[in-house]
Amino acid sequence: DAGVIQSPRHEVTEMGQEVTLRCKPISGHDYLFWYRQTMMRGLELLIYFNNNVPIDDSGMPEDRFSAKMPNASFSTLKIQPSEPRDSAVYFCASSLMGVEQYFGPGTRLTVT
Amino acid sequence: AQSVTQLDSHVSVSEGTPVLLRCNYSSSYSPSLFWYVQHPNKGLQLLLKYTSAATLVKGINGFEAEFKKSETSFHLTKPSAHMSDAAEYFCVVSVLRPSGGYNKLIFGAGTRLAVHP
Repeated sequence: DAGVIQSPRHEVTEMGQEVTLRCKPISGHDYLFWYRQTMMRGLELLIYFNNNVPIDDSGMPEDRFSAKMPNASFSTLKIQPSEPRDSAVYFCASSLMGVEQYFGPGTRLTVT
Repeated sequence: AQSVTQLDSHVSVSEGTPVLLRCNYSSSYSPSLFWYVQHPNKGLQLLLKYTSAATLVKGINGFEAEFKKSETSFHLTKPSAHMSDAAEYFCVVSVLRPSGGYNKLIFGAGTRLAVHP
């Protein structure tokens, strides 16, 4: 099994630009999670999906952030417009039946 | 409410000596407990999990943890540290919902383990 796949691994962009992060969960998993990790705040859950449906987006920082899951094998997290304070590592994780979660390698985002 | 406290932000050991990373939890219900490891510039990898079965849990790479309800602890140990164990370790508590389904993970702040030759 390839595990959770995220792309790109690194993204550097200028303030105001749109950023799209991508995730392919483990095949057969029915939950997908987006997390953000920073030195100051640690790991924060942004949003999670169950069977492609967004269930809880209360962790999304503001309207500049949006996430979609058009099918069981693909999800995106979009930031528009991006700001320097969005610089962080963004992780995608997937789970079968919501128990243990398996994390992807993360996308390191730098907004200048 | 559920919470998890990792008692040490940094632990330094010599190669070949035992490792002890301490974790205390608070949970109103029977918790599931996990240890994840994060190597530099990598994602989080599940080391081991406790889900109300045996209290001594064995994980990958020689790590194990013991669930002690009376002490609300779930410390991670390894008899002999290896250089490749240098990483950040997260203790995580999850609450089982009676109805099943998603269990929110509560992450500790992490313990950075350094291993010296």
